Amino acid sequence: DIQMTQSPSSLSASVGDRVTITCRASQSIANYLNWYQQKPGKAPKFLIYAASSLQSGVPSRFSGSGSGTDFTLTISSLQPEDFATYYCQQSYSLSLTFGGGTKVEMK
Amino acid sequence: EVQLVESGGGLVQPGGSLRLSCAASGFTFSSYWMHWVRQGPGKGLVWVSRIKNDGSSTSYEDSVKGRFTISRDNAKNTVYLQMNSLRADDTAVYYCAGDPGRGPDVFDIWGQGTVVTVSS
Repeated sequence: DIQMTQSPSSLSASVGDRVTITCRASQSIANYLNWYQQKPGKAPKFLIYAASSLQSGVPSRFSGSGSGTDFTLTISSLQPEDFATYYCQQSYSLSLTFGGGTKVEMK
Repeated sequence: EVQLVESGGGLVQPGGSLRLSCAASGFTFSSYWMHWVRQGPGKGLVWVSRIKNDGSSTSYEDSVKGRFTISRDNAKNTVYLQMNSLRADDTAVYYCAGDPGRGPDVFDIWGQGTVVTVSS
């Protein structure tokens, strides 16, 4: 299986900060990388597909980049509703795998 | 309103069985591939299984192969997960998720989850 490693596992930030989360794949996955946001007690929400394409309705402060093995999710100006856990997910292989998550907490 | 509603979770003893259901509404269910994703207590997300839109193809994560079976009834807009030989490490919130099937797998629509607890 393809292993997905996210860093950091958690971070503290303030409203208005620029936040960057990294996701690394154990082998090249081209751009078959998606991002999700999950708030406590809630189902995940689909944010970004194909590494950099924003899902409809997702604010433009969210962006994704990368290809091959290294990917990033950036929040350009953190808003109060963005405090959550973020997961990357590869769709390159038949067996789908997620990163371990990055919890974005309030500083 | 686009919606997925899971049901069927509960407390079951190790070695027991449970059948989860996920009812879809507000979108063309028969066009969507469907997945089950689980999340153990305090843990991350783990993909469990997928079924093609017409039910002709299924896939499973290694740890559930031979124990879990995914199926669907497009006439009832419902996907199922039959779970047998349950173990303590199957304890999790189980989410169903819909994938429009236009390209690589994505989890576009999510249910609210149903809790499965495996314990004696």
